[in-house]
Amino acid sequence: DAMVIQNPRYQVTQFGKPVTLSCSQTLNHNVMYWYQQKSSQAPKLLFHYYDKDFNNEADTPDNFQSRRPNTSFCFLDIRSPGLGDAAMYLCATSGPLGQAKNTEAFFGQGTRLTVV
Amino acid sequence: ELKVEQNPLFLSMQEGKNYTIYCNYSTTSDRLYWYRQDPGKSLESLFVLLSNGAVKQEGRLMASLDTKARLSTLHITAAVHDLSATYFCAVDLAGGTSYGKLTFGQGTILTVHP
Repeated sequence: DAMVIQNPRYQVTQFGKPVTLSCSQTLNHNVMYWYQQKSSQAPKLLFHYYDKDFNNEADTPDNFQSRRPNTSFCFLDIRSPGLGDAAMYLCATSGPLGQAKNTEAFFGQGTRLTVV
Repeated sequence: ELKVEQNPLFLSMQEGKNYTIYCNYSTTSDRLYWYRQDPGKSLESLFVLLSNGAVKQEGRLMASLDTKARLSTLHITAAVHDLSATYFCAVDLAGGTSYGKLTFGQGTILTVHP
C-alpha cells in the first residue's frame, strides 16, 4: 500500500500560471520534505515542515511556497512557474527518532512538472 | 556547506564483473543512504547505514560506511543487466530530531551490458 502519495503524477502547466502539487501520507509522520530534481541532476531539498514549523532552505526561490494544513497533507505551490522549474518534485516523510521503523525518510512516487 | 561526491559518475560494466562506487562527504555524519533511481521514477531505498563500520548486503549489492574517512562504498558483485540504473548516495543532516534532510551525491549512471 502506498504510504506517501503524490498527486498528480504528471502535471503540465503554462508559463507563469500558478500550480499546486499535493502530497499526502498515511504514516502519521511529523516531518515532510519537498525535493526538486531537475533532469540528470540529484534531488535538492527545497524546504521541510517539522510538525507545523516551516523550514526553508536558504537558496530556495521565493517563487516556491508550501502549506501544511494538517499532519497528513503538504502542498507545494509554484506561484509563477518558469521553464527552469520543470522537474520531478519528490515528497518525503519521516517520523520521530527512537521508533524502530523511523530510520529513514519515505519518498513518494514524484510529480513530473512540465512548463509550456 | 556539506558536499557529497560520488565517483565514478558514469559506469559501464560487463555482466558478471565486479565494481565499486565511492561516495565521499565533507562533514561529520553517521547517517548515509543509498538509493536507486530508474528513468522517470522516484527513489528506491537500497541501504540505510547509521553507524561507523556498518555493512549491509542485499543480493549483488553491498554497502559500507566509514565515518572516520567520510566514505561510503557500494560494491556490485557479478553485475546483471537489471542493475542498470542511477545510484545516489545521500548524507543526512537532520540532526537529533528526525531523518530525511538529505544532501545527495551527483549520482552514478550504471549501465550493464552483455
